[in-house]
Amino acid sequence: EAGVAQSPRYKIIEKRQSVAFWCNPISGHATLYWYQQILGQGPKLLIQFQNNGVVDDSQLPKDRFSAERLKGVDSTLKIQPAKLEDSAVYLCASSSEGLGSHRRIQYFGAGTRLSVL
Amino acid sequence: DQQVKQNSPSLSVQEGRISILNCDYTNSMFDYFLWYKKYPAEGPTFLISISSIKDKNEDGRFTVFLNKSAKHLSLHIVPSQPGDSAVYFCAASVRSGGSNYKLTFGKGTLLTVNP
Repeated sequence: EAGVAQSPRYKIIEKRQSVAFWCNPISGHATLYWYQQILGQGPKLLIQFQNNGVVDDSQLPKDRFSAERLKGVDSTLKIQPAKLEDSAVYLCASSSEGLGSHRRIQYFGAGTRLSVL
Repeated sequence: DQQVKQNSPSLSVQEGRISILNCDYTNSMFDYFLWYKKYPAEGPTFLISISSIKDKNEDGRFTVFLNKSAKHLSLHIVPSQPGDSAVYFCAASVRSGGSNYKLTFGKGTLLTVNP
């Protein structure tokens, strides 16, 4: 079974530029998550989708961050314009709609490391 | 406001000994807890979990203990191996709406197992 795919792996941009990240979840996983992990911190949830609907985006800085999952499969996360403090690893995760504890376990991609100069 | 706390940024143990990683939480609504392991340049990998209705879950060398009254959980690794060297994240799960759940992570503990 293929895991969560993310691209690019690394991205370097200057502040005020825009950037987009792509994620393809595990096949059949209805729920998709985007996290921001700043160095020395744990992952912080930005947005959660179930199929193509948003479940939770309370931690997403909506003035500069946007995300979509139009067909309920892959997803893109965009930052426009980027700030220095956006330098972080952006992780995508997915989970299934299985019974019981299966819903609770999230499977992560390798992440995209963003450096904003 | 950190709802999940891992107070030890790092831990060093000898190969073959026990590693104990600790985690505290504050939100009583958390009802499921997970440990993830992360190697450099990789995403977190699920390791083991426990429901709040249990106090222990074991999987091979890994055991998670939950003390609900103290809002404390721990991960025991016995015996520790050099390949266990990684950052370990504690995560707590809560319902986020409908049949959906979300995770809150601690800051992680870097475990180093010395040969």
